[in-house]
Amino acid sequence: AQTVTQSQPEMSVQEAETVTLSCTYDTSENNYYLFWYKQPPSRQMILVIRQEAYKQQNATENRFSVNFQKAAKSFSLKISDSQLGDTAMYFCAFIPLQGGSEKLVFGKGTKLTVNP
Amino acid sequence: GAVVSQHPSWVICKSGTSVKIECRSLDFQATTMFWYRQFPKQSLMLMATSNEGSKATYEQGVEKDKFLINHASLTLSTLTVTSAHPEDSSFYICSASRRITDTQYFGPGTRLTVL
Repeated sequence: AQTVTQSQPEMSVQEAETVTLSCTYDTSENNYYLFWYKQPPSRQMILVIRQEAYKQQNATENRFSVNFQKAAKSFSLKISDSQLGDTAMYFCAFIPLQGGSEKLVFGKGTKLTVNP
Repeated sequence: GAVVSQHPSWVICKSGTSVKIECRSLDFQATTMFWYRQFPKQSLMLMATSNEGSKATYEQGVEKDKFLINHASLTLSTLTVTSAHPEDSSFYICSASRRITDTQYFGPGTRLTVL
């Protein structure tokens, strides 16, 4: 079975500091995409960052970067210079690109609170 | 780019009535659209996958006669909750992608309350 595990149900960080959210996944597939989505209190799911498994270079989007360790099946998200607007639920997800089960598999989420 | 709208944002209906929720991709053609349900403080649960012009594929345990999905065009999918009951009250979210394995872009969700 393909699973995504987010081991931190809740985290908090002070404004302007850096925080890392962890994510591990389990799959037998070799080709897949990994995502981090953010869901603020408005409940709108927003794409934060995407990583293609075949790329060794870690994806970055402004203050957001990932540490992708394919062999360890780990995909952590680092948020630098945290802002109050980063307060949200963060979901790690992946989708296999073959195998007949092309569905987005979500973790249970990490609730991040940025404190002023 | 990649904007998905959903309408209505919230709806209250009486038990036994039907409710239709629309999902539109505003600036791209969505070959595939997905419907999710989210319970409070939980992750998203996939209900069904729909491809334009074909029948939706429902996840195990989801009643296809209760949750009717139509994906008639590359920019519009609808979810109709038929004969709604209070246990159908939930937050429904759609997503759209250019192809089934591409990035999914999500709508803002619809809060359904069945009285």
